[in-house]
Amino acid sequence: EPEVTQTPSHQVTQMGQEVILRCVPISNHLYFYWYRQILGQKVEFLVSFYNNEISEKSEIFDDQFSVERPDGSNFTLKIRSTKLEDSAMYFCASSAGGSRAGHTDTQYFGPGTRLTVL
Amino acid sequence: KQEVTQIPAALSVPEGENLVLNCSFTDSAIYNLQWFRQDPGKGLTSLLLIQSSQREQTSGRLNASLDKSSGRSTLYIAASQPGDSATYLCAVGRGFQKLVFGTGTRLLVSP
Repeated sequence: EPEVTQTPSHQVTQMGQEVILRCVPISNHLYFYWYRQILGQKVEFLVSFYNNEISEKSEIFDDQFSVERPDGSNFTLKIRSTKLEDSAMYFCASSAGGSRAGHTDTQYFGPGTRLTVL
Repeated sequence: KQEVTQIPAALSVPEGENLVLNCSFTDSAIYNLQWFRQDPGKGLTSLLLIQSSQREQTSGRLNASLDKSSGRSTLYIAASQPGDSATYLCAVGRGFQKLVFGTGTRLLVSP
C-alpha cells in the first residue's frame, strides 16, 4: 500500500541553524501539507501546497519557514534559523484531491520527523 | 476560530467492551471530519473520513457519525481489543484542505 515517507526520523540541531525536513508524498497525490505537534499538544496545521504554490498557511508559518517541491517526488520544509520552540514532531501529509472544489479527501500522514533544537 | 474538543481525555476499558469517543467542534462550516489513530511516538493513521453531507461511515469494528448542525461526531468501537490501545484524534476539514485537530482521547484496552 502506498505511504508517505519522511527523512530523517530524528534531527538534532543547534539554535540558529537551518534544517530541511524531507517528505515523499504518495505518488499520484496533488495536495501536500506540513503539520507539527509539540510534545503533549495538539497537531497544528502549518501549510498546504498545491500546483507548486502555497494554498494556505497558518500564523505559525512565518518568514523563517519555506516549502518546496524540488522535483516530481520530494516535498521539503525548510526552517531557516531554528529556535528552541521549533522543537516538535513534524508531519508531512498528502491527499489525492477532491472531485469538487473546496471538498477535501483523506489526508495520509507520514511517520514524522522529530526535530530537537538545542 | 474553529475549536475542536474531545471527551473523554483518557479512557480505560476491559477487552471486549463497546465504547464511544466524542468529538465536538465550534463552527459547523466544515467540509469533512476525519478520525485518526496515533500510537506513541508514531505518525497518524487515518481511520475514517466523513464528508459534510454524510451522517456516518463504517470500517470494520469502527463506526463514525457526524451531526454537523450540533457540531458533534462520535467514534464507536465495537468489541474493543488490546491492539486498539492508542490515542484517537478527530480533525475537521476547513479552508483549503486544512485540518484542525482535537485534543485527543487516550484509550487503554486491558486484556
